[in-house]
Amino acid sequence: NAGVTQTPKFRILKIGQSMTLQCAQDMNHNYMYWYRQDPGMGLKLIYYSVGAGITDKGEVPNGYNVSRSTTEDFPLRLELAAPSQTSVYFCASSYPPRAGQPQHFGDGTRLSIL
Amino acid sequence: GQNIDQPTEMTATEGAIVQINCTYQTSGFNGLFWYQQHAGEAPTFLSYNVLDGLEEKGRFSSFLSRSKGYSYLLLKELQMKDSASYLCAGPTYGGATNKLIFGTGTLLAVQP
Repeated sequence: NAGVTQTPKFRILKIGQSMTLQCAQDMNHNYMYWYRQDPGMGLKLIYYSVGAGITDKGEVPNGYNVSRSTTEDFPLRLELAAPSQTSVYFCASSYPPRAGQPQHFGDGTRLSIL
Repeated sequence: GQNIDQPTEMTATEGAIVQINCTYQTSGFNGLFWYQQHAGEAPTFLSYNVLDGLEEKGRFSSFLSRSKGYSYLLLKELQMKDSASYLCAGPTYGGATNKLIFGTGTLLAVQP
C-alpha cells in the first residue's frame, strides 16, 4: 500500500532557484494538503484542495503555488526559493474531515535553501 | 483566528500515566484530532473526538469538553516508544474542518 508518496525526500536549493515538490496519493481521497514544519514547531497549512481543479490558501501561502489537475496529484511549486522556506514539507490526504476522517501523511521532503 | 495551545514539553516515567492537555478557541465546532509524531517522521492519527466525553482506544484515551474548549490525551502504561511529539488539531475559526489548525505539539520524553 503506497498511501501518500512525496518526492524528493531531500533537496538543497540555492536562493532564487525554483522547484516542484511532488505528492501523489492512491486512496482516492478528494482532500489534499500541503504543510510545512519548522524545527520544534507544529504544522502550518500552506495550501489545500478539496478536489481536482479546486485549491485554496492556508495560513502561509506566500511564496508557493499549487495545482490539482487530477485527484491523485497535488504538486507544490516554489518559484523563487528564499532561506525562510527552509523547512520540512508534508503532503497529506483525506476523505472529508468533517466526518472525522484522519489525514494520511507522506514521509516529507526536507528542503534547505542556501 | 484559531488558537490551539499545548504544553511544549513533558517528561514521564516508563509504566506511568501522563495527560497532555489542549485548549482551543472556536465556534461552530466540529471535532478535534490527536496525532503522534516521532522525531524525523510523519504525523500519524491517534484519535478524533466530536462529542463530549472520553474515547478509549487501548492504552490511549482522548477526552473532549466542547463547552470549555478543552481536550486531553491520556497515555497509560507508558513505554519508551511513546516518546514522541503529540499534536492537537482542530477546525479553523468558524468551525470549518476542510482545513485543520495544528498546535505546536507537546514533546513527551519517557524515561526509564
